Amino acid sequence: NAGVTQTPKFQVLKTGQSMTLQCAQDMNHNSMYWYRQDPGMGLRLIYYSASEGTTDKGEVPNGYNVSRLNKREFSLRLESAAPSQTSVYFCASSGGDRPSQPQHFGDGTRLSIL
Amino acid sequence: SQKIEQNSEALNIQEGKTATLTCNYTNYSPAYLQWYRQDPGRGPVFLLLIRENEKEKRKERLKVTFDTTLKQSLFHITASQPADSATYLCALISGSGYSTLTFGKGTMLLVSP
Repeated sequence: NAGVTQTPKFQVLKTGQSMTLQCAQDMNHNSMYWYRQDPGMGLRLIYYSASEGTTDKGEVPNGYNVSRLNKREFSLRLESAAPSQTSVYFCASSGGDRPSQPQHFGDGTRLSIL
Repeated sequence: SQKIEQNSEALNIQEGKTATLTCNYTNYSPAYLQWYRQDPGRGPVFLLLIRENEKEKRKERLKVTFDTTLKQSLFHITASQPADSATYLCALISGSGYSTLTFGKGTMLLVSP
């Protein structure tokens, strides 16, 4: 029972390079989320998809794009990476049609941008 | 502005004692409050959810209280064990429309044998 799977686990990029972080869930959840976690800042929402076919901005969307490829998969793209985007990125999913449902997280992608 | 505050200092307690973690919020009217556990190098794991009309929720050794007048939630772990050592995050959902979770920064709990 995999839950939420994120790839890659670690990545180092140079400034200006592009990268897509992948996320897949096998729980048949409607909603999916991308967060970043920085020391002293906590988890901050980048983008979310309440259901297949929809995406919305979160608190810190600048510099990112997302694609809800299908119900299972939600990818996060950095078009031109910047050092300020060095962070740990978490994908999460939740079931039902209410935001109160518990979120299930992957184990993160640790991204360093030099 | 909206704020969720959790103790930034780690809480150190001895095995067997009750750990109490605090989550305070301002300028929110949360409909739900959730608590998560996060271990180093891992994603957060959901523990408990409490609704605004509930005063208290229990699950095994865990207890959460929610006081909308004080704008505070307390998270208790009774008979704490070294395996309870982790960072604990609170998260709020506002009541209007489709809202997303807003997380506090978390408090690290260290339980020593």
